Amino acid sequence: DSGVTQTPKHLITATGQRVTLRCSPRSGDLSVYWYQQSLDQGLQFLIQYYNGEERAKGNILERFSAQQFPDLHSELNLSSLELGDSALYFCASSSSGSNQPQHFGDGTRLSIL
Amino acid sequence: AQKITQTQPGMFVQEKEAVTLDCTYDTSDPSYGLFWYKQPSSGEMIFLIYQGSYDQQNATEGRYSLNFQKARKSANLVISASQLGDSAMYFCAMREEYTGNQFYFGTGTSLTVIP
Repeated sequence: DSGVTQTPKHLITATGQRVTLRCSPRSGDLSVYWYQQSLDQGLQFLIQYYNGEERAKGNILERFSAQQFPDLHSELNLSSLELGDSALYFCASSSSGSNQPQHFGDGTRLSIL
Repeated sequence: AQKITQTQPGMFVQEKEAVTLDCTYDTSDPSYGLFWYKQPSSGEMIFLIYQGSYDQQNATEGRYSLNFQKARKSANLVISASQLGDSAMYFCAMREEYTGNQFYFGTGTSLTVIP
């Protein structure tokens, strides 16, 4: 158990819809990261938050947004969904320091029909 | 330039044999960490092993060891005595002290263990 909780585990919705993915980081971790992994693909970094503030942005579409709340949980909002958004979305958290690994949640598997 | 390069999209190894998965990295930060993750077909990302840039010895965790060659900027993962359960995707990652909390991942290597 990594200590990172992601909900829901599975999500099935239709094109054009909006969904919210939720992540609770490991206790004490201030950094939260979001990744997208499409079928048989590597990890695409989306966005990173540190203690409520956005720290880095990757290949995140304008239709996607995220935030980290004062209690450090994070939400990733995906809107105007397209078939190509079907993927496994990971949240990870870490402590500060280059010797600290990321700990990943089990992911949310999003299927767009 | 890519921060992390994994040049082996797929690898095969006989059960009980050792296998090396390659990883090279690019950084000008003197302080950094290198990490390997395993992703089995079930999908979860499992942290395997860490190597710090100032570590004098190669990291080891059970059957996993990291062949760290700083001058060559390589951090290869060695899995000894391969087991069928080692069949998975393996990702190399780096974290730089200077850039703070950002992680850089390679594209991964798919390992298949053959009975």
